[in-house]
Amino acid sequence: EVQLVESGGGLVQPGGSLRLSCAASGFTFRDNSMHWVRQAPGKGLVWVSRINSGGSTITYADSVKGRFTISRDDAKTTLYLQMNSLRVDDTAVYYCARSRAGAFDFWGQGTLVTVSS
Amino acid sequence: QSALTQPASVSGSPGQSITISCTGTSSDIGHYNYVSWYQQHPGKVPKLMISEVTNRPSGVSIRFSGSKSGNTASLTISGLQAEDEADYYCVSYTTSNTQLFGGGTKVTVL
Repeated sequence: EVQLVESGGGLVQPGGSLRLSCAASGFTFRDNSMHWVRQAPGKGLVWVSRINSGGSTITYADSVKGRFTISRDDAKTTLYLQMNSLRVDDTAVYYCARSRAGAFDFWGQGTLVTVSS
Repeated sequence: QSALTQPASVSGSPGQSITISCTGTSSDIGHYNYVSWYQQHPGKVPKLMISEVTNRPSGVSIRFSGSKSGNTASLTISGLQAEDEADYYCVSYTTSNTQLFGGGTKVTVL
């Protein structure tokens, strides 16, 4: 059974940092592209970042470029999102998701990040 | 990176068919057949309903179908049921090697 379990969310002040983790199991993690998607309270889904299998191709949404860093540890089957210079509008539930043929076929339960003073 | 354009809301009576449109550009929907659709009930995790424009994953009802013409993709729900009431999102791969979501459509079953 495919499982994605996010952790690392919490309350942080504007300008602060946070690292999210997504522990994967039930599939061959190293063979899959992985993504982060976020959803602000009461708002729609927004794609944040992607890392391909092997980690050679990484892309970001313009809104997080230069502030967020996606990475993966295939030995630990874990996806990460390092978030720096956090802003109030980064407040959201952050989901990790596996993709195949451009579609997000499995999602984690999400972890809430709240940026507030 | 403007979001793909979806109607804010669509409604229909039980048994009817509804269609949700998703309009992009020649750099996303018009360029690739990597369009997917997601259903999200309140407080729940999004669920993949359609991939690669028309493919229905195992376990998804045959009442859900997808199509594309030019820069616009569409999701059709046939035989509308109460359980279909949810938010629906489209996503497309882009020529910038990114993914782009639509703003979401709230489906109401009257």
